[in-house]
Amino acid sequence: RKEVEQDPGPFNVPEGATVAFNCTYSNSASQSFFWYRQDCRKEPKLLMSVYSSGNEDGRFTAQLNRASQYISLLIRDSKLSDSATYLCGGYNAGNMLTFGGGTRLMVKP
Amino acid sequence: EADIYQTPRYLVIGTGKKITLECSQTMGHDKMYWYQQDPGMELHLIHYSYGVNSTEKGDLSSESTVSRIRTEHFPLTLESARPSHTSQYLCASSTPETYGYTFGSGTRLTVV
Repeated sequence: RKEVEQDPGPFNVPEGATVAFNCTYSNSASQSFFWYRQDCRKEPKLLMSVYSSGNEDGRFTAQLNRASQYISLLIRDSKLSDSATYLCGGYNAGNMLTFGGGTRLMVKP
Repeated sequence: EADIYQTPRYLVIGTGKKITLECSQTMGHDKMYWYQQDPGMELHLIHYSYGVNSTEKGDLSSESTVSRIRTEHFPLTLESARPSHTSQYLCASSTPETYGYTFGSGTRLTVV
């Protein structure tokens, strides 16, 4: 089993829709999680950090569910510019940030 | 705005050539990493360093080597490039766990 797993998608949604992705992790001791956005052929860029209380930034909300060992990313009022691949990351037992394979989002007009 | 720099941005090189991909960061981060990523595929960790004179191999076996003589500099070298090395190489750095990794803009390598 991979340490961090994501549904690769693609998630095809219309503009204005609300979309949510989940990411499961195996290291129950991990305290910090992250969502990154990666555009095609670009580097990953940090979108949000996720700790015990979750995080909200504008249209984006990230939450952590320790009991079920997953983090989620909710995007409200999707924009065309939100089209990208979203990577989640969590620290493994070796104290390395481990990334999922990414979830691809395509927002259509 | 970027505090971690990679050069060159693009490189096309012939088989058998020796190449060095440069990565520098101005944030004073102790930890640095090299990832390999093919288009549409996941990130693969190939090397990392916890500080000066520390280098370790990552999860994905790679024929490349790295060095860490200065905190800010973490170059990656391929002694003899092959077409199978064609990929995007991303450098990253980090400090405490709470801040995640910061990535450079990558080097897109094509070996012909």
